[in-house]
Parts: sequence; C-alpha cells; structure tokens
Amino acid sequence: DTEVTQTPKHLVMGMTNKKSLKCEQHMGHRAMYWYKQKAKKPPELMFVYSYEKLSINESVPSRFSPECPNSSLLNLHLHALQPEDSALYLCASRRDTEAFFGQGTRLTVV
Amino acid sequence: AQSVTQPDIHITVSEGASLELRCNYSYGATPYLFWYVQSPGQGLQLLLKYFSGDTLVQGIKGFEAEFKRSQSSFNLRKPSVHWSDAAEYFCAVAGRAAGNKLTFGGGTRVLVKP
Repeated sequence: DTEVTQTPKHLVMGMTNKKSLKCEQHMGHRAMYWYKQKAKKPPELMFVYSYEKLSINESVPSRFSPECPNSSLLNLHLHALQPEDSALYLCASRRDTEAFFGQGTRLTVV
Repeated sequence: AQSVTQPDIHITVSEGASLELRCNYSYGATPYLFWYVQSPGQGLQLLLKYFSGDTLVQGIKGFEAEFKRSQSSFNLRKPSVHWSDAAEYFCAVAGRAAGNKLTFGGGTRVLVKP
C-alpha cells in the first residue's frame, strides 16, 4: 500500500471559521509533510514532521497549525484564514527515499 | 541551500515526437533527485528517482532520466510522447534523511499537439 489519503477533497470556509485537514498513511513512514500549491505554481513546503516531532516550519503564519497525533496521521488546523490562503494543500510521507503524495485538499476561503 | 531550476516553463510537442525536459539542481552533497508529474487538480505522481549507481534511470510510462553530476543536471526524456503525457512536470531534490526538505523546481507544462 503506497497510499496517502487526504480528507476532505474539497473545503470551503469563511474567514472566521475553524477547520482541519487530515492526512493518513500506513506505510510506516516516519516523515510527513504539508505543502501549499497555488495555481500554476510548484508546491511550497510548509511543515515537516520527523518521528512525530515538528522538524521544519517554513515561517508559516500561525493561522496554520500542524499536528501529528501519531506516526500515521497528520493534521493541519486552520483558523482565521484569508482569501489568499485558497490553494491546493498537499500532504506527503517519506521514509528515506521518495515521497508519496496524497491527492490534496482544494481549499477555498470566502 | 538546495534549489532546483527548470528553465522551460512551457513545451509543446507533437504526438509521437520525442520529449526532453531540463532540470538543474543545487545541493551541497549527493542528493536524491526525482521527477513528478501532476495532472490538473491532482496530486503528484512519482515518475522516477535517482539515488546512486547507474546514472541513467528508468521510470514509469516510458520515461527515463540521466544524472550528470558535472553539469548538476537531471534531464527527463521520453522517446515518443502520447496525448496523455500532457501535464505539469516537476523536478525535485531532497536530502537523504527522511525528514529533510523536498524542494521542487518551478515546473514545466507539456502540451501535446495531435
């Protein structure tokens, strides 16, 4: 099983809402990633978790809050987002070779 | 700092013609190198990867790539493209530990003419 599952596939939220994105993998990978991708742009790294600890934060605004409750699960908590945060949010997991990506959550902030 | 440059933003190729996508990387040690493909609104699918050994690597869907250390390049090729190869292609570089950054180039959009 080389699958990374992201839910929901689509999310529309208001600027005062709180929502969460979920990512799950059962490949035993100990590194998990959040990326943000705007249209016609490459994925931009947001966070990296290694062995369930936050190892990289690419100066992401605090309205994005990651969480890694266990080795298979990665969450991204969203609060007070702006319309410019609308994007495709991609999760990935990696052992020591390639990274496997989920299909993403298409987020629209209204 | 690691980085990846894909010089071509768009490439248009006729169906059945050959395709080559350029990728140059910057990394302080021996990197892991990847090519991913993305269809509109979808996630990223791994085409191929280079870790060590043979510098010509084979991937899925008939793609291959050649690692040239002296040129810091990892160009992607396909001898004969199919209409279904129309997509966005990303070259990426990463350090060897699982928690290291995976950094993408700007991408090359491939259009296939009938």
